[in-house]
Amino acid sequence: NAGVTQTPKFRVLKTGQSMTLLCAQDMNHEYMYWYRQDPGMGLRLIHYSVGEGTTAKGEVPDGYNVSRLKKQNFLLGLESAAPSQTSVYFCASTGRLYGYTFGSGTRLTVV
Amino acid sequence: SQQGEEDPQALSIQEGENATMNCSYKTSINNLQWYRQNSGRGLVHLILIRSNEREKHSGRLRVTLDTSKKSSSLLITASRAADTASYFCATVLNTGNQFYFGTGTSLTVIP
Repeated sequence: NAGVTQTPKFRVLKTGQSMTLLCAQDMNHEYMYWYRQDPGMGLRLIHYSVGEGTTAKGEVPDGYNVSRLKKQNFLLGLESAAPSQTSVYFCASTGRLYGYTFGSGTRLTVV
Repeated sequence: SQQGEEDPQALSIQEGENATMNCSYKTSINNLQWYRQNSGRGLVHLILIRSNEREKHSGRLRVTLDTSKKSSSLLITASRAADTASYFCATVLNTGNQFYFGTGTSLTVIP
């Protein structure tokens, strides 16, 4: 089925470890986004991309890096995980800003 | 922050009643969208209303937009237990490629 696929779905990291979250979409969407969702905070934009090879910072980019080497993939990296990065991470994509398609989320715990 | 604010934060109604939730935002927008999130899942796009529209319908959903007051409302008529979820508004600005989400309204429909 067409959509946005996030891997992994769950992960536990130790403080200081690194990891990469993968987002893949098969809808040929130009725009891709990474959000984090924390209780009572709604969704906050981390980074986004408006096309292959482009990235831009969102509201809360510190501690994260991203890459968009292929149009269908958008990677979110944590170089040195901190407990404050414990959250649920959502990837989304859209073709023309007329409605996001969301992935099912990655639940990350940093201990 | 450009983030929208939903009101109320939580709403509990009986099945068959109507549910109304509101969203206020801060700056001029290109469009406003409503999303639903079931517990533990990603967000699902419900409806989009453009800045030059005042009202839009989709099935049991009715959305209004008042750009002079910078506010929108989502009405769910004849609610069902399956409507239990969190509802978020997202604003898309004229100047960027970003969506800004509010903190959400948690709706509980009691059978």
